[in-house]
Amino acid sequence: GDSVTQMEGPVTLSEEAFLTINCTYTATGYPSLFWYVQYPGEGLQLLLKATKADDKGSNKGFEATYRKETTSFHLEKGSVQVSDSAVYFCALSFNNNDMRFGAGTRLTVKP
Amino acid sequence: GAVVSQHPSRVICKSGTSVKIECRSLDFQATTMFWYRQFPKQSLMLMATSNEGSKATYEQGVEKDKFLINHASLTLSTLTVTSAHPEDSSFYICSAPGEYGYTFGSGTRLTVV
Repeated sequence: GDSVTQMEGPVTLSEEAFLTINCTYTATGYPSLFWYVQYPGEGLQLLLKATKADDKGSNKGFEATYRKETTSFHLEKGSVQVSDSAVYFCALSFNNNDMRFGAGTRLTVKP
Repeated sequence: GAVVSQHPSRVICKSGTSVKIECRSLDFQATTMFWYRQFPKQSLMLMATSNEGSKATYEQGVEKDKFLINHASLTLSTLTVTSAHPEDSSFYICSAPGEYGYTFGSGTRLTVV
């Protein structure tokens, strides 16, 4: 079935370091791809999304490109801040059907 | 943008009691609501899908009689955890697809003591 595999954490970085969180997917067809962020004790917030191959989603300095050839949607940010500390989830969905999530990657950014 | 209001945000209940969690779509109609459960430091697992005016669809392994889902209107879906036990303690989140994409509630942390 459809699934998402993302890089295991936790990831600990110093402020202003470069961030990459890998995400690959398995699906029949071409799903929409998402990155969500969850701050402690809160629900999920959409960070960015891409709906077709080669689309780049971006928000708050984060970027991810939908790569059909490698079935990937890696999350990147050039310079992380302490406030970026959270859990990041990669997810896929087809046409407003239920969303399938990766296991989540906990990011801690130290000053 | 679209907002899903989820209440309560936290609840502590005694073992054997029932707890109701509500999710309301505030400025759009949610014909479908997805209910997820999240264990500590784990991902979200889909429990069930509710559709307005029809029976909910449960994922394999989810007890229908324990997790009662009602979607009585286009703006309200509820999850009732019946006869709660400590192992039901978890973070429950609802999500509705809409015009602007998926909107998640803020989650409910249930602790059964």
